[in-house]
Amino acid sequence: DAGVIQSPRHEVTEMGQEVTLRCKPISGHNSLFWYRQTMMRGLELLIYFNNNVPIDDSGMPEDRFSAKMPNASFSTLKIQPSEPRDSAVYFCASSSGGSQYFGPGTRLLVL
Amino acid sequence: GEDVEQSLFLSVREGDSSVINCTYTDSSSTYLYWYKQEPGAGLQLLTYIFSNMDMKQDQRLTVLLNKKDKHLSLRIADTQTGDSAIYFCAETDTGGFKTIFGAGTRLFVKA
Repeated sequence: DAGVIQSPRHEVTEMGQEVTLRCKPISGHNSLFWYRQTMMRGLELLIYFNNNVPIDDSGMPEDRFSAKMPNASFSTLKIQPSEPRDSAVYFCASSSGGSQYFGPGTRLLVL
Repeated sequence: GEDVEQSLFLSVREGDSSVINCTYTDSSSTYLYWYKQEPGAGLQLLTYIFSNMDMKQDQRLTVLLNKKDKHLSLRIADTQTGDSAIYFCAETDTGGFKTIFGAGTRLFVKA
């Protein structure tokens, strides 16, 4: 298996623009997680899905952030409009219960 | 709520043993994990231990769990420069969905 796939790996955008991050979980995994990592705040869980259904989105910072999982093999995290304080590395992870397997992350820079 | 705490930095000489410590608060934790993050990469699962175990050994890695004190440690024998990374302690609740991560311990290995 190729592992968790994220795209793009790097994204540079201007404040106010819409940003869409994509994730393909490991085939057969039924849970998917979106995390954000910064030096100041460490690793934060934003939202997680189980069987494509959002279970807990309490970590989503504000309404500018939204996440979808239309099917078992694809999820998106959208930021609209983006702000400089959204600059971070965003990780997607998947699991079948227990151990989580992380993607390589998307490094986002909002200017 | 649940919390996982780790020291932020550890420096050792190549060839010495490293011991990274972690404390957690959720007594109902089922699984406890150690993840490794190398620069520019996602978190990689190193090892895990069930809450009904006291110790687990995997090659150079030894995990010790003290349930009474809610203390978890990771010992790396014969530490190498390639072991330099951030090590995250994590716990998963009984449901197995939500994983709480510590802030990570940055391990520096001096040649």
